[in-house]
Amino acid sequence: DAGITQSPRHKVTETGTPVTLRCHQTENHRYMYWYRQDPGHGLRLIHYSYGVKDTDKGEVSDGYSVSRSKTEDFLLTLESATSSQTSVYFCAISDSGSSAKWETQYFGPGTRLLVL
Amino acid sequence: AQTVTQSQPEMSVQEAETVTLSCTYDTSENNYYLFWYKQPPSRQMILVIRQEAYKQQNATENRFSVNFQKAAKSFSLKISDSQLGDTAMYFCAFMKGGGGADGLTFGKGTHLIIQP
Repeated sequence: DAGITQSPRHKVTETGTPVTLRCHQTENHRYMYWYRQDPGHGLRLIHYSYGVKDTDKGEVSDGYSVSRSKTEDFLLTLESATSSQTSVYFCAISDSGSSAKWETQYFGPGTRLLVL
Repeated sequence: AQTVTQSQPEMSVQEAETVTLSCTYDTSENNYYLFWYKQPPSRQMILVIRQEAYKQQNATENRFSVNFQKAAKSFSLKISDSQLGDTAMYFCAFMKGGGGADGLTFGKGTHLIIQP
């Protein structure tokens, strides 16, 4: 299994508070992604990174920001959490090089976030 | 933009039977990849099988195989000799080819239940 950890694994917070989720990898992979999973929607891409300090928006980026200051860490921040951001958040990684590497994304265990 | 449709929200079969999960997609891309991911109750996203669009041969991984019909934009998953451990959500996913940064576009999933 790819070495991907997410922290925290569970979090309960209140509306309006800032929240930061962390994804940490030990694989030295170039690409990192944040997805959210909601009932009836599958997984949807929030933001992704293609290198240190290189990030871009995904399908559902409103209300989220990301940062990547080191290859191994990709942070997802909810500046002011809302109830609509209650979800399960997954981090994924993939590598550069041959197409067999970058086309395969490996997922972390997920973070369950509840915004009250 | 790409869309992925899984028309079967839930399926149930007896252990040892063969089951086929359906997936259709819509894209104007000619170079892309298709995936099936499994999500058991643990919530971990596990890659089951992948298919390169430029390959005519259908991918196979042990008991799992796909029927890839590029012209029809169909990508079904067949599970042979189903086992209790196959009980899970199954997600079909699409990714554009030609680079490493693009995220996956997922279908909404099919909940597969294997009955003893």
